[in-house]
Amino acid sequence: EVQLLESGGGLVQPGGSLRLSCAASGFSFSTYAMSWVRQAPGKGLDWVSTFSGSSDSTYYADSVKGRFTISRDNSKNTLYLQMNSLRVEDTAVYYCAKKGGGYGENFDYWGQGTLVTVSS
Amino acid sequence: EIVMTQSPATLSVSPGERATLSCRASESVSSNLAWYQQKPGQSPRLLIYGASTRATGIPARLSGSGSGTEYTLTISSLQSEDFAVYYCQQYNNWPLTFGGGTKVEIK
Repeated sequence: EVQLLESGGGLVQPGGSLRLSCAASGFSFSTYAMSWVRQAPGKGLDWVSTFSGSSDSTYYADSVKGRFTISRDNSKNTLYLQMNSLRVEDTAVYYCAKKGGGYGENFDYWGQGTLVTVSS
Repeated sequence: EIVMTQSPATLSVSPGERATLSCRASESVSSNLAWYQQKPGQSPRLLIYGASTRATGIPARLSGSGSGTEYTLTISSLQSEDFAVYYCQQYNNWPLTFGGGTKVEIK
């Protein structure tokens, strides 16, 4: 059974940093692209970043480029998101998601999410 | 960036009726289009990818169609578990983008 378990969320002041983790199990982690998708309270889904499975390619939304860094440790089956220079508008539930079927980045499994609140 | 526009924002439907949800892309996404369902307090669930391929475990009453810039999710006979918010997502180009969602509510 595929499981994705996020952790590391919490309350942080504007300008602060957090590192999110996503522990994966039940599939061959190293062979799949993994992503972070966020959802602000009461709002829709917003893609944040993707780390490819077949190479070291990374992709970012413009809104987080230069502030967030995605990484993965295939030996630990864990995906990370280092978030620096946090802004109030980064407040959201952050989900990690596994690449689904077919070509390209759709998401067939999602974690339960971890809440990041940026507030003074 | 490809903008995804979903309509309507809210759809009121009686159980057993048919629901048709629309998703329009600002440029062609070449059927690289997925649909997700999200219920309150839950994570999104993949329903459809490749515009028309049902994900594992998704019942046949849900179907996807479309091409180019216009896509549709159809629920042929709404069941109680289908009342939720539905999002489309394009994965043809970076950045990946989602539509704003359609809420399917009980009429």
